[in-house]
This record gives sequence, C-alpha cells and structure tokens, in this order.
Amino acid sequence: GAVVSQHPSWVICKSGTSVKIECRSLDFQATTMFWYRQFPKQSLMLMATSNEGSKATYEQGVEKDKFLINHASLTLSTLTVTSAHPEDSSFYICSASGARLPTNEKLFFGSGTQLSVL
Amino acid sequence: SQQGEEDPQALSIQEGENATMNCSYKTSINNLQWYRQNSGRGLVHLILIRSNEREKHSGRLRVTLDTSKKSSSLLITASRAADTASYFCATGVYILTGGGNKLTFGTGTQLKVEL
Repeated sequence: GAVVSQHPSWVICKSGTSVKIECRSLDFQATTMFWYRQFPKQSLMLMATSNEGSKATYEQGVEKDKFLINHASLTLSTLTVTSAHPEDSSFYICSASGARLPTNEKLFFGSGTQLSVL
Repeated sequence: SQQGEEDPQALSIQEGENATMNCSYKTSINNLQWYRQNSGRGLVHLILIRSNEREKHSGRLRVTLDTSKKSSSLLITASRAADTASYFCATGVYILTGGGNKLTFGTGTQLKVEL
C-alpha cells in the first residue's frame, strides 16, 4: 500500500519558537494533503486541505497565519506552527490522497507528530 | 465540527467475542470509511464502503451502510487482544480540485479486548 512518512515523530520546543513538520508521500503522487490535529482521546479535527501548487484551504477557526501550510511538490507538504504556545501542544497528523484510484479515496496517514510546547 | 458520532464511546469485550460499533452522520456523503488507531500512532485504513453499497466484508470485518438513516456499523468478529485500539468512522466527500477525498472523522470508539 501507499506510504506516507511524517517527520519528526515528536518535538519539544520553547514557547515563541516555530516548528516545521514534514509529510512525504513515498510511492505515489499526493495531489491533496490533509492536516489534522488530535487531542488526547479525541477525534481528528481537520485543520486544512492543501493541493500541490496552490494555497491551502483552512477549516473554520484555524488561524492561517499560525499554521502555515506549504504543498510545494506532489510528494511533500509542510506544516509550520509559528510562534508556538503551550496551547498548540497536540498530536498533528498528515494524510495524503492521490488523484486516481486507488489512492484517491482512502487516505494514507503519516505516523503523526507529538508537539509539546514548554 | 464533527460529522460523525460513534457509539459506544468505549467497549470492553472478551477475546473471541464480536464487537459492534455504530456511526451516525448528518450530511450527504460519497463514501464512508473505518480507520483504526493505536495509541499515539497514525491511522490505518480498514475498509471503505461507497454510498451506493449496503454491506461490505473484509476478513473479520463487516461494514454496513444505511444512507436513509445516515448510519453505519462496523462488526469485528472473533475479536483478538491485538484488536485493542480506537476505531473511527470517517465520511468522505470527493474534492473537485486536485482530486482526493475529504474525510470528516467521527468521535471514535475505544475498543479493549481482554484475554
């Protein structure tokens, strides 16, 4: 099956710093990538949808300037949490979808990034 | 906002028993999928059922979809301790730009299978 690599797996940073999370599709072209946020024992909340070469579409309530998403190529999307604060601490998961079957229906998820902001 | 609500929120059964999880949703969909998540890990796709299908099987998994009631169920037969995980339903809507399937996840069911 298709593989999505997410890096780093966990990161601890000081309040006020920026953190970049990478999401790569290893064996298919990800025309669409999704970024989710998950709090402990809760569901995944979609933050934004990004298409290669265009601006990301953010869900209501998600700050665009806070969570910068770049989808520069068909295999790489990045999420940058700018000026991170303790309330940004969470589990962030990316997923990728291709343009054609079989990769355009089910999502392939990265392993997630646990962000802890001190 | 949450599209799907699942019940039960938590389920504890003995190995060998069947586990049934239900999912309800509110808007029109193209497909519904079930995913599994082990604690602190990414999600693994289990099974997909399209809006024009009513039932689907995959190994020990059986999924039903009732679009008139906007509900789905996931049955895991002959459960094993290794099935212990959180299970999420996700409703899918096709994206016109760039292709792909936008998923909205339900609240999840935490399944514990005891020996």
